Amino acid sequence: ETGVTQSPTHLIKTRGQQVTLRCSSQSGHNTVSWYQQALGQGPQFIFQYYREEENGRGNFPPRFSGLQFPNYSSELNVNALELDDSALYLCASSLVRGETEAFFGQGTRLTVV
Amino acid sequence: AQRVTQPEKLLSVFKGAPVELKCNYSYSGSPELFWYVQYSRQRLQLLLRHISRESIKGFTADLNKGETSFHLKKPFAQEEDSAMYYCALYNNAGNMLTFGGGTRLMVKP
Repeated sequence: ETGVTQSPTHLIKTRGQQVTLRCSSQSGHNTVSWYQQALGQGPQFIFQYYREEENGRGNFPPRFSGLQFPNYSSELNVNALELDDSALYLCASSLVRGETEAFFGQGTRLTVV
Repeated sequence: AQRVTQPEKLLSVFKGAPVELKCNYSYSGSPELFWYVQYSRQRLQLLLRHISRESIKGFTADLNKGETSFHLKKPFAQEEDSAMYYCALYNNAGNMLTFGGGTRLMVKP
């Protein structure tokens, strides 16, 4: 069984730039969620994708956007990066929509300077 | 809006001592609660969920709706229990998990 994989593992960007983070969901999982984890805090829900459509969104501005592809892999895009966007970004997949157990990737550490 | 609170950032105990990691929640619906754990250099993973009422690695957690709590307990801590523990609440309307801020458990030899 292949677990959730994320790329890249680390990334440094400049304020105002755009970034794309990638996630391959666990084999057989059709639902992907993204979380932002700031230092010293718990993960915060950004949004979820199911069958290539956004299926729920947390309290994040529109410059945070996503995609899910037919193979259920996913991207998180952040435009106009701000210093406060520096965080660990976690991808989690679930077997089906509404399945509450989430399987997490190892995360992408984004630093905005 | 839902909220999950873990009042202790750090909990330090000796091996063999009992452990209780506290979690309180606020949620208007019927809550579905979880404990996730992150061991050093590993990814976040599910430890247990209240629906299953299982004991995993000696840990149990009981949902107390009156006190809106879901504390994690283990009668005898082991050094390998040292990790970050996150309590989480599932909101089925938003298809989202709301996490607490986490508690770092350190079990000393």
